[in-house]
Amino acid sequence: DTEVTQTPKHLVMGMTNKKSLKCEQHMGHRAMYWYKQKAKKPPELMFVYSYEKLSINESVPSRFSPECPNSSLLNLHLHALQPEDSALYLCASSQEREKAEAFFGQGTRLTVV
Amino acid sequence: QQPVQSPQAVILREGEDAVINCSSSKALYSVHWYRQKHGEAPVFLMILLKGGEQKGHDKISASFNEKKQQSSLYLTASQLSYSGTYFCGTVNSGGSNYKLTFGKGTLLTVNP
Repeated sequence: DTEVTQTPKHLVMGMTNKKSLKCEQHMGHRAMYWYKQKAKKPPELMFVYSYEKLSINESVPSRFSPECPNSSLLNLHLHALQPEDSALYLCASSQEREKAEAFFGQGTRLTVV
Repeated sequence: QQPVQSPQAVILREGEDAVINCSSSKALYSVHWYRQKHGEAPVFLMILLKGGEQKGHDKISASFNEKKQQSSLYLTASQLSYSGTYFCGTVNSGGSNYKLTFGKGTLLTVNP
C-alpha cells in the first residue's frame, strides 16, 4: 500500500463553520505534512509532524489546527476560515523527515464561502 | 528560501528532449523533483542528496551540482505522458528542521 488517503475530496464551508480534513497512510512513514496549494502555484508547507510530534509550524494562522492522533493519521481542524483560505490542501508522508521521498495524497479542494 | 526554476514553460514535440533547471542561493542538503498533472497530486520523481550524484529512472534523470547549488532535470525522448508541471523542492543545509520548499514550477507540454 503506497497511498496517502485524504478525505473529503471536496469541502465547502462557511466562515463560521468548524470542519476537519483527514489524512491516512499505512506505509509506516514517521513524517507527515500539510501543504496548501493555490491555483498555478507551488505547494506551500504548513506543518510538519515527525514521530507524531509537531516539528514545524510555518507561522500558520491559529484558525488552522493540526493534530496527529497516531503514526498513521493526520488531521487539520478548520475554524473561522476566510475566503482567501480557499485552496487545495495536500497531505504528504515520508519515511523520515530529512531525506526520503514524500508521497502526496490527492488533496482536499476547500472552498470558503 | 524559494529555489528558482527555469524555464517557466516549455513546449516539446513527442520525442524531443528537455532540461529544467533549479538553483538556490543557499547551501543545499537535498533536491527533490516532482511532477504534477492538472487536478492531481504531485508525484515524486527523484531525490538527490548532497554529494553531486546523478540519478535517473526510465528516460528521466537529474544531476545535483553541490558547489553551484544547482540541479537539472533531464527528460529524454519525451512522451505525451510527461506533460505537467515540474517542481523542484530544496532542503537547505545546516538547519535543525527539515523544510522542503518548492520552486514556482515549470509547465511542460508535450505535443504529438
